[in-house]
Amino acid sequence: EVHLVESGGGMVQPGGSLRLSCAASGFTFSDHYMDWVRQAPGKGLEWVGRIRNRGNSYSTEYAASVKGRFTISRDDSKNSLYLQMNSLKTEDTAVYYCARSSDNWSDWFDPWGQGTLVTVSS
Amino acid sequence: DIQMTQSPSAMSASVGDRVTITCRASQGISNHLDWLQQKPGKVPKRLIYDVSSLQSGVPSRFSGSGSGTEFTLTISSLQPEDFATYYCLQHNSYPPTFGQGTKVEIK
Repeated sequence: EVHLVESGGGMVQPGGSLRLSCAASGFTFSDHYMDWVRQAPGKGLEWVGRIRNRGNSYSTEYAASVKGRFTISRDDSKNSLYLQMNSLKTEDTAVYYCARSSDNWSDWFDPWGQGTLVTVSS
Repeated sequence: DIQMTQSPSAMSASVGDRVTITCRASQGISNHLDWLQQKPGKVPKRLIYDVSSLQSGVPSRFSGSGSGTEFTLTISSLQPEDFATYYCLQHNSYPPTFGQGTKVEIK
């Protein structure tokens, strides 16, 4: 069974940093693209960014709202995905989900992890 | 960015009702349109991908249709477990964008 487990969330002050992790199991992690999606409290879903697989040079894409502040990386040897968040703002407060995708245009965001809450507040 | 507009934003329906949710894209998105379901306090779950393909394990009362910029999610006979928020998602171009969600509540 495919399993994604996020960790690393918590409370941080504006301007601070946090690193989220996503541990994957039940599938060949190295084959897949991986995404981060967030959901502010009581709000809708917002894509944060993506990292492609080794065959696509681990290239990344980011939402405009986080570009230059957030960095996505992965360690295929550990079946792990990461989200380094710097210069955090109050509007970054959200539950952050990792989600599996594939290297085709039909297979996006399935499944999702259980999410980890990031609260940015002074 | 492509804007995705869902309607209605919320609705009340009874068990057994036929429910239709619409999603409109600000420009053509080919067939790269998915529908997701999120129950309160739970993780989003993909129901339909590429407009009309049913995700494995999803009941056949869910169906999707549409093309170009107008898409529809239909629940043929609403069940108690279907009360949730539904989101459309376009992944035709970056950034992928979601509709604002449609909350289906019990009448």
